[in-house]
Amino acid sequence: EVQLVESGGDLVQPGGSLRLSCAASGFSFSDHHMDWVRQAPGKGLEWVARIRNKVEGYIIDYAASVKGRFTISRDDSKNSLSLQMNSLKIEDTALYFCARVLIGRGQFDHWGQGTLVTVSS
Amino acid sequence: AIQMTQSPSSLSASVGDRVTITCRASQGIGHALGWYQQKPGKAPKLLISVTSSLQSGVPSRFTASGSGTDFTLTISSLQPEDFATYYCLQDSNYPLTFGGGTKVEIK
Repeated sequence: EVQLVESGGDLVQPGGSLRLSCAASGFSFSDHHMDWVRQAPGKGLEWVARIRNKVEGYIIDYAASVKGRFTISRDDSKNSLSLQMNSLKIEDTALYFCARVLIGRGQFDHWGQGTLVTVSS
Repeated sequence: AIQMTQSPSSLSASVGDRVTITCRASQGIGHALGWYQQKPGKAPKLLISVTSSLQSGVPSRFTASGSGTDFTLTISSLQPEDFATYYCLQDSNYPLTFGGGTKVEIK
């Protein structure tokens, strides 16, 4: 069974940093691109970042709203995905989901349950 | 960035109704679109990818069509478990962009 379990969410002050993790199991993690998607309270979904698999050179893309502040990374030996978030803003407050990308398709076929990041003074 | 305009933002319908949700892309995206269902407090669930490819386990009452800039998701006969919020997502270009969502409520 495919499982994605996020952790690391917390209350942090504006300007602070946080590191989110996603532990993957039940599938060949290294074969898949992996993404972070977020959802502000009561709002819609927003794509955050993608890291491709080794075959595609671990190429990374970011949403404009987080570029330069967030860093996505992966450790295929540990089946783990991470998101380092620096210079956090109030508008980064959201539930952060880790999502697996369908091979050859680009859409997300499995999601974690999310980890909540609250940026507030 | 490609903008995805989803409509309506909400609708009220009864069990057994036929429901149609649309997404319009600000530029052509070919068939690079998927549809998701999200229930309160839960992660989104992929229903359909590449415009019309139904995910395993998704009931056949869900169908989708479209290409280029105009896409539709249709629920042929709404069931109680279908009341949820639906999103489209384009993966043609970065940044990936979601539609604003359509909340399907019970009439």
